[in-house]
Amino acid sequence: EAQVTQNPRYLITVTGKKLTVTCSQNMNHEYMSWYRQDPGLGLRQIYYSMNVEVTDKGDVPEGYKVSRKEKRNFPLILESPSPNQTSLYFCASSKLGGRNQPQHFGDGTRLSIL
Amino acid sequence: DQQVKQNSPSLSVQEGRISILNCDYTNSMFDYFLWYKKYPAEGPTFLISISSIKDKNEDGRFTVFLNKSAKHLSLHIVPSQPGDSAVYFCAASESGAGNNRKLIWGLGTSLAVNP
Repeated sequence: EAQVTQNPRYLITVTGKKLTVTCSQNMNHEYMSWYRQDPGLGLRQIYYSMNVEVTDKGDVPEGYKVSRKEKRNFPLILESPSPNQTSLYFCASSKLGGRNQPQHFGDGTRLSIL
Repeated sequence: DQQVKQNSPSLSVQEGRISILNCDYTNSMFDYFLWYKKYPAEGPTFLISISSIKDKNEDGRFTVFLNKSAKHLSLHIVPSQPGDSAVYFCAASESGAGNNRKLIWGLGTSLAVNP
């Protein structure tokens, strides 16, 4: 089954404790992206990657890091999480090529930073 | 400031009737629009899209209409079914974004289809 898998689905942690949210896709997609969803703000892009070893900032990259060492994986790293990073996070992937390639989303990771 | 606006947070319709979900945008550089559907505890799922060179796209029970002069699009679901109950997001992408597939999202409209 074609899917984007995020782990963990839920995490409660404390300020400053490094964490990683993993994202893996099995569709051989070149493009991957991270969004966060906040009330009243909608989904906003954090980082994206066009292919292996190619990453770039989205609209809200502060406090986050990513890496793309393999095509299928695109982990989101919070080196020193803070309460303002409490949010619902979504990973997405798509083929490149035409603009009509829809993005496939994972089921989300709800992070609570205390 | 929201560049993609869904002004109705919720909508309730009877099964079998038409559901019309609306979306307005402000950025004239947007040239591709998508609708996603989201169930609780799941990620958004792509539903239908439209390019700015068209004014209508149809896929089964779902039709999207685009009025570029009014910067307005709508999603029509006919007939509505209880399984359509979900949050619907309007999203747009910008022609100047290059290869970044970044989507600009509305806040969503929660649709309830009542049996």
